[in-house]
Amino acid sequence: GENVEQHPSTLSVQEGDSAVIKCTYSDSASNYFPWYKQELGKGPQLIIDIRSNVGEKKDQRIAVTLNKTAKHFSLHITETQPEDSAVYFCAARPANAGGTSYGKLTFGQGTILTVHP
Amino acid sequence: DSGVTQTPKHLITATGQRVTLRCSPRSGDLSVYWYQQSLDQGLQFLIQYYNGEERAKGNILERFSAQQFPDLHSELNLSSLELGDSALYFCASSVSSRDIGNTIYFGEGSWLTVV
Repeated sequence: GENVEQHPSTLSVQEGDSAVIKCTYSDSASNYFPWYKQELGKGPQLIIDIRSNVGEKKDQRIAVTLNKTAKHFSLHITETQPEDSAVYFCAARPANAGGTSYGKLTFGQGTILTVHP
Repeated sequence: DSGVTQTPKHLITATGQRVTLRCSPRSGDLSVYWYQQSLDQGLQFLIQYYNGEERAKGNILERFSAQQFPDLHSELNLSSLELGDSALYFCASSVSSRDIGNTIYFGEGSWLTVV
């Protein structure tokens, strides 16, 4: 099945700096890659996603890039703020999810991002 | 607020017992997923239902079972509980269209502690 590796496991930055989190996946047929942010005591919240027919997507201070050949994708957060501190998860949707649903996300291990004021 | 409602938020129970976790998906969502989150295993997919039918199974133990009812709410039943079952259990839902960008929304989770 799909395997997703995420690095780094922890990331500490100063407010205003950029943060980059990288993920690699194993199933070349995976075609949907969401990123989730999880704050303490809450469930994962989708912050951005990218499909395999797109190389980059931006939403204000957040961007995601995808390299299908290398099977890796990255989350970029610019001008970080203390409220960006959270655990970030990448995920990939295996192509064999099948049926009428496209769920069954495989998650990376998570990155604890700390933004220092 | 994602619109996915889970109860209870916290649960403490003894080994060998059985518990039921409940989930109400977002309005209009037909698919429900259950995930287990623990420190050593991360977010692990357990099982998925679509409109009452089981669609996909992950690393779900035989002691665990789930179902989705006609009103689309779902329950995850955990039996013969062991200390290692202590974890955060998330329910998620999606519309389940054929669009590959089918967004999955997570609830706030049910924190299970087995003592």
